Amino acid sequence: DIVMTQTPLSLSVTPGQPASISCKSSQSLLHSDGKTYLYWYLQKPGQPPQLLIYELSNRFSGVADRFSGSGSGTDFTLKISRVEADDVGVYYCMQSIQLPYTFGQGTKLEI
Amino acid sequence: EVQLVQSGAEVKKPGESLRISCKGSGYTFSIYWISWVRQMPGKGLEWMGRIDPSDSYTNYNPSFQGHVTISADKSISTAYLQWSSLKASDSAMYYCLIPAAARWGQGTLVTVSS
Repeated sequence: DIVMTQTPLSLSVTPGQPASISCKSSQSLLHSDGKTYLYWYLQKPGQPPQLLIYELSNRFSGVADRFSGSGSGTDFTLKISRVEADDVGVYYCMQSIQLPYTFGQGTKLEI
Repeated sequence: EVQLVQSGAEVKKPGESLRISCKGSGYTFSIYWISWVRQMPGKGLEWMGRIDPSDSYTNYNPSFQGHVTISADKSISTAYLQWSSLKASDSAMYYCLIPAAARWGQGTLVTVSS
C-alpha cells in the first residue's frame, strides 16, 4: 500500500495568516497519463469530507482561491493564503493512483 | 445534482448481521464507481473498497476483504455495505462516496455493543 504522511498533525493559525500542510507519499503519484492522483479534502466537524483540490492542483468547483495545491512526484503541499474561521477542521490528502486508495493521517487546523 | 443518501444509524450486538445502504440520485447510477470509507471514532479515513454498479465488479482493501461485502442493485440505484458477523471494533461512521464526482453520502453511524 502507498503510505501517505502528513505534517504537521495539528496547526493553530491566526485569521488572515497563511497556512501550509505537507503530504508525502511512499511512491510517486504521477501516472503515465501525465496526471498526479493526489487529492485534498477538508472534514469540518460533524460533516463528511469535502473535496478541495483534485489531481494535485485543481480547485474543485466553489472552492475559494485562497486554497492551492502544489508539488510533484511524492511531495505535496496544500496552502491557504489567508485563513478564515470557516477553514477549521481536519485536512486529509488522499492518493488514487493505486488500490487500495489511502489517506494521510489528517491535519487538524484550529483558529 | 449528484446526491448520495445513506441509511440511518444502526445499533447492533456482536455477532449480528447488518446491511447499510447508499442511494444515488441525480445521475445515471451505473456510470460512477462507488467507494466505501470507514471512520472510527476520533480517527482518520480508511478506504474499504469500491464497486462498479454497471456489473457489480468490486475491489477491496485487503484490510477489509473477507469481513465486509460490497454490492449494488442498479435497478434501484443503491449500493450496500454488509457484515455477516459484527464485532465491537466495527463501530464507526461509514461513508459512501463517488470520487469521480466528489460526492459523499452523509454517513451512517454503526454502533456494535453487547
